[in-house]
Amino acid sequence: EDKVVQSPLSLVVHEGDTVTLNCSYEVTNFRSLLWYKQEKKAPTFLFMLTSSGIEKKSGRLSSILDKKELFSILNITATQTGDSAIYLCAVEDNAGNMLTFGGGTRLMVKP
Amino acid sequence: NAGVTQTPKFRVLKTGQSMTLLCAQDMNHEYMYWYRQDPGMGLRLIHYSVGEGTTAKGEVPDGYNVSRLKKQNFLLGLESAAPSQTSVYFCASSYYLQEDEKLFFGSGTQLSVL
Repeated sequence: EDKVVQSPLSLVVHEGDTVTLNCSYEVTNFRSLLWYKQEKKAPTFLFMLTSSGIEKKSGRLSSILDKKELFSILNITATQTGDSAIYLCAVEDNAGNMLTFGGGTRLMVKP
Repeated sequence: NAGVTQTPKFRVLKTGQSMTLLCAQDMNHEYMYWYRQDPGMGLRLIHYSVGEGTTAKGEVPDGYNVSRLKKQNFLLGLESAAPSQTSVYFCASSYYLQEDEKLFFGSGTQLSVL
């Protein structure tokens, strides 16, 4: 059974801080790892990672995958209050039919 | 662009009542999914479908049934609702998961079972 564990469960920082969110996984036949941001309603896509060591970047957000150690990190630099959300990590196996999600990290950025 | 539309957005049921949640997508996606989200547990897959007329069980299928009679619609049924089914339900669709593809989510249905 595929398993995804995210840490920390929740995090409170101040604007301008840098945060690192962690995602570790166990999956039989790994295909990809995805990060989503969930504010009030539906999760929105951030990154899809398939190869180790290749950083994906979008503005102040970046993510990297380590397929040997079975984890990924999501970094957010110069945080803003708009970054407050639940960040979800998910893994896809080679069957490609479904994603297994972690429990999420709830980030709160205070002014 | 409608994307993925879920109805209803909110519902309150009494224990033992039945209901159907409707998910509709206009992107001609093959794959559709139903997830439930509970505090601290992320999204858990209930059932999914890889095409019209096909369905499969996910991680937490008990107490739910699904149907995919038309490609654009994926229905989630609760035959006899229980308080443990109080949750937020999300429908999602995708063409299929490949490089730079992603799930498209509906806006969710908040269900309370009293």
